[in-house]
Amino acid sequence: DGGITQSPKYLFRKEGQNVTLSCEQNLNHDAMYWYRQDPGQGLRLIYYSQIVNDFQKGDIAEGYSVSREKKESFPLTVTSAQKNPTAFYLCASSRQGPYEQYFGPGTRLTVT
Amino acid sequence: AQSVTQLDSHVSVSEGTPVLLRCNYSSSYSPSLFWYVQHPNKGLQLLLKYTSAATLVKGINGFEAEFKKSETSFHLTKPSAHMSDAAEYFCVGGKFQGAQKLVFGQGTRLTINP
Repeated sequence: DGGITQSPKYLFRKEGQNVTLSCEQNLNHDAMYWYRQDPGQGLRLIYYSQIVNDFQKGDIAEGYSVSREKKESFPLTVTSAQKNPTAFYLCASSRQGPYEQYFGPGTRLTVT
Repeated sequence: AQSVTQLDSHVSVSEGTPVLLRCNYSSSYSPSLFWYVQHPNKGLQLLLKYTSAATLVKGINGFEAEFKKSETSFHLTKPSAHMSDAAEYFCVGGKFQGAQKLVFGQGTRLTINP
């Protein structure tokens, strides 16, 4: 089955620790995206990548980092510099161009 | 500023009755508009998309939306609600500037009463 996988589904960390969220796709899409969703709100763009070894900051990149070493993978690291990391994180991918994005199942991160 | 506005934060209907979820967009968002659905603790699923080929767009699970440029609206409808339709719905605008940037409405929570 083609799709996007995110792991783990739930993640718990102590304040001050970095944590990496996994995102893998087998749709052969060039573009990949990371969003953050807070309760009762729409999604906000953290980072996006249109091609391997290249990525751009979105609207709320502070406290986050990414890498794109393979077309299929776009991991997101939530660093200790992120002030309010507890949220639902969604990864998406799309073909290059003005096309729809396909979303993974999400990772719920709780930092205490 | 460019924006997508969902006019109702919560809509409640009875099973078997019509569904209407309202969305207005800023004019610069033509031609890409989307509706996504999100069930609790799940990712977003694409319901339908408008890309200027036709103003009435049919999607999955019996949903459809009509693009009305004169009203800058893209309302989502379904003739008969089913219990499984209970979820959060997002109207989304897409603007391609070298990359496809999406801007999300705040969401409408749809409740279905038995």
